[in-house]
Amino acid sequence: DSGVTQTPKHLITATGQRVTLRCSPRSGDLSVYWYQQSLDQGLQFLIQYYNGEERAKGNILERFSAQQFPDLHSELNLSSLELGDSALYFCASSVVGGRAQETQYFGPGTRLLVL
Amino acid sequence: GENVEQHPSTLSVQEGDSAVIKCTYSDSASNYFPWYKQELGKGPQLIIDIRSNVGEKKDQRIAVTLNKTAKHFSLHITETQPEDSAVYFCAASYQGGSEKLVFGKGTKLTVNP
Repeated sequence: DSGVTQTPKHLITATGQRVTLRCSPRSGDLSVYWYQQSLDQGLQFLIQYYNGEERAKGNILERFSAQQFPDLHSELNLSSLELGDSALYFCASSVVGGRAQETQYFGPGTRLLVL
Repeated sequence: GENVEQHPSTLSVQEGDSAVIKCTYSDSASNYFPWYKQELGKGPQLIIDIRSNVGEKKDQRIAVTLNKTAKHFSLHITETQPEDSAVYFCAASYQGGSEKLVFGKGTKLTVNP
């Protein structure tokens, strides 16, 4: 158990809908990362938040957005869903960014199926 | 941007044999190279990592080597066991304002009893 929690574990929805994925980082971790894992693209970095502020963006679609709240939990919002958005979505957390790269601890993921 | 190539995509070994997975990266500024193990239905779990100021690191049956000149790093698992069967991912990152990881495509390792 990494200490990172994600809810829900599974999500089934229809095209055009909007969903929210939730992540609670490990106690004391300030950084939250979101990754998408699909069969053809592997693990792709979406976005990083550090202590409530966006720190880096990766291959995140405009239909997707995220935020990190004062209690450091994070939510990933996916809207106007398409079939191709079906994937595993992982949240990871680390202590920081600081001078040295910190270990990222991954949650168990949310499996999204868009029908 | 950073690109990480990982080989092989699948690897099958007999229990007790060694397994080697290789990765190359494109950005010479990369300075952190973790390896993750992902079991079915679970999130990736860090098994070992290496930083650019070190050439080799070992933890029991697992070792990682880094060749900065050639921009490649490898995972070595000795005395493999059936519970080592999983998908292994290499990743690279550099500390340049973001700590995002760029992952390889993964290697499915099967250890046959």
